[in-house]
Amino acid sequence: TQLLEQSPQFLSIQEGENLTVYCNSSSVFSSLQWYRQEPGEGPVLLVTVVTGGEVKKLKRLTFQFGDARKDSSLHITAAQPGDTGLYLCAGGRDNAGNMLTFGGGTRLMVKP
Amino acid sequence: EPEVTQTPSHQVTQMGQEVILRCVPISNHLYFYWYRQILGQKVEFLVSFYNNEISEKSEIFDDQFSVERPDGSNFTLKIRSTKLEDSAMYFCASDPQGLNTEAFFGQGTRLTVV
Repeated sequence: TQLLEQSPQFLSIQEGENLTVYCNSSSVFSSLQWYRQEPGEGPVLLVTVVTGGEVKKLKRLTFQFGDARKDSSLHITAAQPGDTGLYLCAGGRDNAGNMLTFGGGTRLMVKP
Repeated sequence: EPEVTQTPSHQVTQMGQEVILRCVPISNHLYFYWYRQILGQKVEFLVSFYNNEISEKSEIFDDQFSVERPDGSNFTLKIRSTKLEDSAMYFCASDPQGLNTEAFFGQGTRLTVV
């Protein structure tokens, strides 16, 4: 069974601060996705990374895939209250059309 | 922007009853999925569907569950005889090509079994 562990589980910061959340596994994934989920809604895809060492930026969000494709990080610069939410990582395997394994999520609260 | 739509948004059913959850995936996507999320827990994979057949299923997806694509647009999940522990958010997702398992999720159906 492939597991993804996210840390921290909860994070409460002030507006303007920087933060990093982590997604770790002992297993190799062929791709890794980051999602954001609002209460009572489905996960919304933010980014997909597929190459070891890959870095992708989405405005103030920077996503990195570990060299060994076992871990990933999400860094938010100058957090804003609108960034508040549940951030989920999910890993995919080599075979197309197969399952995503989700982490437990990091619940972020950004206070004004 | 194209999106996955699910109906109903909330379904309450009595234990032992059959329920059908409906999804309209994004047009031209080839892979379809059902996931569930029990309150406070991780999102869990149930089943993937490609070319009109199941391509993978989890241990959760037992004989009580079935999926179908009855026409060119709808994708359904049927639970034959619901149990209390089936209460969860059920998410449908679709994937354009199945490469890198890039899934786009619907807003979910909250199933409450009483």
